[in-house]
Amino acid sequence: DAGITQSPRHKVTETGTPVTLRCHQTENHRYMYWYRQDPGHGLRLIHYSYGVKDTDKGEVSDGYSVSRSKTEDFLLTLESATSSQTSVYFCAISEPPDRAGANVLTFGAGSRLTVL
Amino acid sequence: DQQVKQNSPSLSVQEGRISILNCDYTNSMFDYFLWYKKYPAEGPTFLISISSIKDKNEDGRFTVFLNKSAKHLSLHIVPSQPGDSAVYFCAGGRAAGNKLTFGGGTRVLVKP
Repeated sequence: DAGITQSPRHKVTETGTPVTLRCHQTENHRYMYWYRQDPGHGLRLIHYSYGVKDTDKGEVSDGYSVSRSKTEDFLLTLESATSSQTSVYFCAISEPPDRAGANVLTFGAGSRLTVL
Repeated sequence: DQQVKQNSPSLSVQEGRISILNCDYTNSMFDYFLWYKKYPAEGPTFLISISSIKDKNEDGRFTVFLNKSAKHLSLHIVPSQPGDSAVYFCAGGRAAGNKLTFGGGTRVLVKP
């Protein structure tokens, strides 16, 4: 998976508990992203980072926070998990655009989170 | 407000025939588009991209067509193979930014 490791790969938790998902990359890429995948919604951006300690919100950021203290690690935290946050979470990385001008994201294998 | 839409949630095609996946978008500021393929329990993988100044890009069995006036793009897979059975996502992005906006996906089943 191009040097991207997500952990845990599967987690079941209860409503109201905090959860942290970790994304670790060995590619030294500058940009990192967290997406969630839900049926009918495709992939929606939660938060992204364009460098250490530089993060910004995506389209579905409510209830989530992120931190990036090192280039290789991007953490996604659910402070108090809710059932609506049951989803598959994907981390992605990218570097400057390719020849077509496209910012090609490379994704990790995903973390499946179930909130009961 | 879904900026990128894939109106067909699923598609079934016979092996060897053409698969055509469609994608519509509303954001005229997109500078490029990408297609990703996703197998179960794996992350999406990049397939092919196209700049908004082009109308066609080809890579092996995969061709993407862009119709800017209609805000529509399509992915053609010829010939379709059983290994092409997966979920396909289209996405749009802007050159000035680094984020992608994805459609809801189309599940393709290629029958042997």
